[in-house]
Amino acid sequence: DQQVKQNSPSLSVQEGRISILNCDYTNSMFDYFLWYKKYPAEGPTFLISISSIKDKNEDGRFTVFLNKSAKHLSLHIVPSQPGDSAVYFCAACASGSARQLTFGSGTQLTVLP
Amino acid sequence: SQTIHQWPATLVQPVGSPLSLECTVEGTSNPNLYWYRQAAGRGLQLLFYSVGIGQISSEVPQNLSASRPQDRQFILSSKKLLLSDSGFYLCAWSAGTGPTEAFFGQGTRLTVV
Repeated sequence: DQQVKQNSPSLSVQEGRISILNCDYTNSMFDYFLWYKKYPAEGPTFLISISSIKDKNEDGRFTVFLNKSAKHLSLHIVPSQPGDSAVYFCAACASGSARQLTFGSGTQLTVLP
Repeated sequence: SQTIHQWPATLVQPVGSPLSLECTVEGTSNPNLYWYRQAAGRGLQLLFYSVGIGQISSEVPQNLSASRPQDRQFILSSKKLLLSDSGFYLCAWSAGTGPTEAFFGQGTRLTVV
């Protein structure tokens, strides 16, 4: 049973436009959500996170939105750059746990020049 | 600053051989430590996590085991590798308390032949 789902395995966007990556979760105990970026043969790199007490967090070109009622979060990248091309993973964890993250299956973002 | 080291970067092992992957963290004390695996074309699956020396929790039954002999050392082992153990193994750490992101090592590409 996948508790964190990324239903789009791939996404292509033109350079300069907005990239929107989506993620859904089923476990209502999750209260902290993260996005990671991963290049081939490397470990994931933390991008941005959001606590369940917020509905938006912004860091430069990256913004994460959280809709708790829909159990949905999204990552917006604007403007998209070719260097943003990578696999993006959504992850979630619950307070009171050992902070073990549950990951989605990832979305391959390709930014076309 | 904190750093995480994971080695080796790549490993080719015959079926039935033992395995030992090592991970060390520098610049922090009492971290939570994790082993994840990424199978080809799939997301990150949590294998083991540890909140302290000698404390290991397993998320999935498998042919692997983990140990934490020192505060900042985490080892992934197997007595006899199976073909299905092939994958990309990632070590990660997070701070011991509070909602926080996990930081990943560079990963080990294991191929069992």
